[in-house]
Amino acid sequence: AQKVTQAQTEISVVEKEDVTLDCVYETRDTTYYLFWYKQPPSGELVFLIRRNSFDEQNEISGRYSWNFQKSTSSFNFTITASQVVDSAVYFCALWVMEYGNKLVFGAGTILRVKS
Amino acid sequence: DTGVSQDPRHKITKRGQNVTFRCDPISEHNRLYWYRQTLGQGPEFLTYFQNEAQLEKSRLLSDRFSAERPKGSFSTLEIQRTEQGDSAMYLCASSFGQGRYGELFFGEGSRLTVL
Repeated sequence: AQKVTQAQTEISVVEKEDVTLDCVYETRDTTYYLFWYKQPPSGELVFLIRRNSFDEQNEISGRYSWNFQKSTSSFNFTITASQVVDSAVYFCALWVMEYGNKLVFGAGTILRVKS
Repeated sequence: DTGVSQDPRHKITKRGQNVTFRCDPISEHNRLYWYRQTLGQGPEFLTYFQNEAQLEKSRLLSDRFSAERPKGSFSTLEIQRTEQGDSAMYLCASSFGQGRYGELFFGEGSRLTVL
């Protein structure tokens, strides 16, 4: 079965703090893709990043960074120097080639950044 | 605005009534998806179209649900004889074809409340 677990239901931080959102996935397939999506209060999910299962290089994009570790089946997301505009629900998702054309989402983590 | 648009944004209906949602994808995208999201959960896959062909349907899509994508452009999702359990946000997403797996562009969703 394909499954994504985001154990943190809600995180609150003060602006400028760093915050890490955890994601653990389950799949028996060797070819898959991992994603992070952001859902601001407006409701529209926004694609942030995609990693394929053969590329374990960490990635940094501005204040965002992602740590992919196959050994622990984790794909964690860190926001450095958080800002109020980062407040949203963040979803980790899995796409398995053999499982069809669909994303399997985790339950999401609500991030609240206070000024 | 060239993003994915959904209509209506909000629908309140009484149990037993039929409702229909419309999705207009990004024009050059040949793939279209419907997802359902309930409070505190991640989106769940309902169905997927490639052009006008409905290629996958989730077991979540009971006989009361039907989706179409005539001419491979806009799509409609109809729910017949609505039940209170159908209350959710219905999300539409579109994407390019091969090579961009999982990189979906979502609309803002249609929120359904069944009284």
